[in-house]
Amino acid sequence: DIQMTQSPSSLSASVGDRVTITCRTSQSISSYLNWYQQKPGKAPKLLICAASSLQSGVPSRFSGSGSGTDFTLTINSLQPEDFATYYCQQSYSTPVTFGPGTKVDIK
Amino acid sequence: EVQLVESGGGLVQPGGSLRLSCAASGFTFSNYWMSWVRQTPGKGLEWVASIKQDGSEEYYVDSVKGRFTISRDNAKNSLYVQMNSLRAEDTAVYYCVAIGRLRSFEFWGQGTLVTVSS
Repeated sequence: DIQMTQSPSSLSASVGDRVTITCRTSQSISSYLNWYQQKPGKAPKLLICAASSLQSGVPSRFSGSGSGTDFTLTINSLQPEDFATYYCQQSYSTPVTFGPGTKVDIK
Repeated sequence: EVQLVESGGGLVQPGGSLRLSCAASGFTFSNYWMSWVRQTPGKGLEWVASIKQDGSEEYYVDSVKGRFTISRDNAKNSLYVQMNSLRAEDTAVYYCVAIGRLRSFEFWGQGTLVTVSS
């Protein structure tokens, strides 16, 4: 199975900050990397698929990059509604696996 | 509006069985691979099983193989999972999910809680 790591596991930030979350995989997955946002008590929401393709309706302050084993989710100008937990997920091989999550909270 | 509504969760004893259902609307259900994904505070998000559009292919995480069976009824726009020989470690919120581009999990239900405990 492909192992996923995320860093940091949590961070505190202020509205307007730029936030960067890193995801690393135990083997190369090309661009088969997806990012999700989850708020307490809600289901995860797909933000970005294929490493950098923004889902319809997702604000442009979210962006993704990377390929191979190293990926990044960036949130430019953090908004109050962005405080949540973010997960990466590889869809390169079965079983698909998720990262442990990065919790973004208010400084 | 896309909707996935799970039902069937609850409390069950170890070794027991439960069947979860998911009613889909707002998209062409028969065009999508579908999955069950579960979430626990301890293990995070875990893919459980997937089924092809016509039901001809099924895949499972190793920990549920031989115990869980995923199925679908395209005429009823419904997804199911039959869970047998349940264990405490199967306790989780179970989500019904539609698989999108490059096998991303595109649409999610609200989840249903399964608790396995005596």
